[in-house]
Amino acid sequence: NAGVTQTPKFQVLKTGQSMTLQCAQDMNHNSMYWYRQDPGMGLRLIYYSASEGTTDKGEVPNGYNVSRLNKREFSLRLESAAPSQTSVYFCASRTGAQETQYFGPGTRLLVL
Amino acid sequence: GESVGLHLPTLSVQEGDNSIINCAYSNSASDYFIWYKQESGKGPQFIIDIRSNMDKRQGQRVTVLLNKTVKHLSLQIAATQPGDSAVYFCAENTHDYKLSFGAGTTVTVRA
Repeated sequence: NAGVTQTPKFQVLKTGQSMTLQCAQDMNHNSMYWYRQDPGMGLRLIYYSASEGTTDKGEVPNGYNVSRLNKREFSLRLESAAPSQTSVYFCASRTGAQETQYFGPGTRLLVL
Repeated sequence: GESVGLHLPTLSVQEGDNSIINCAYSNSASDYFIWYKQESGKGPQFIIDIRSNMDKRQGQRVTVLLNKTVKHLSLQIAATQPGDSAVYFCAENTHDYKLSFGAGTTVTVRA
């Protein structure tokens, strides 16, 4: 079991470029999440998918879009990257029965 | 708004001593709390959880205490080791599949 995997590990973008962060889980979890983490701050929820076929906005959704491709995969897209989106992005998943979320290793994004 | 927060951003502890990390929450309706450990360059790792119908729960070298009267949560680490150096986050369940995280406490273990 790999758990939650994320690609890429690191990325540098120029302002205005687009990219998609990939996330996959092999734990057969129903719910998946995207967070960003900025220095000295806790995790802030960007978007989540409570179950396959549904997505909802979190605390900081502006500038992002998501796709729940299937039960395993949940991608995060930046259509036009901005320096304010420089952050570490974490994907997480959980079963429907338990509240505990399990996290991936993160993607470090730098927008110049 | 409602939030989860930690009392101190940093904690320095001597190796072998016990550590206590504190967290205050404001949502009295929260019924589930989690402690995560995050090592440098890695994702948060689940340590221990507790439901609101409990006051205390023990794991391996860790104990979580919940005081609902004052909305306070703490994580105790026994015999702190160098591998315990990390950022520790508390999180509360907000009833709708979402967790709300505090800002974290950085624990540094002195040899």
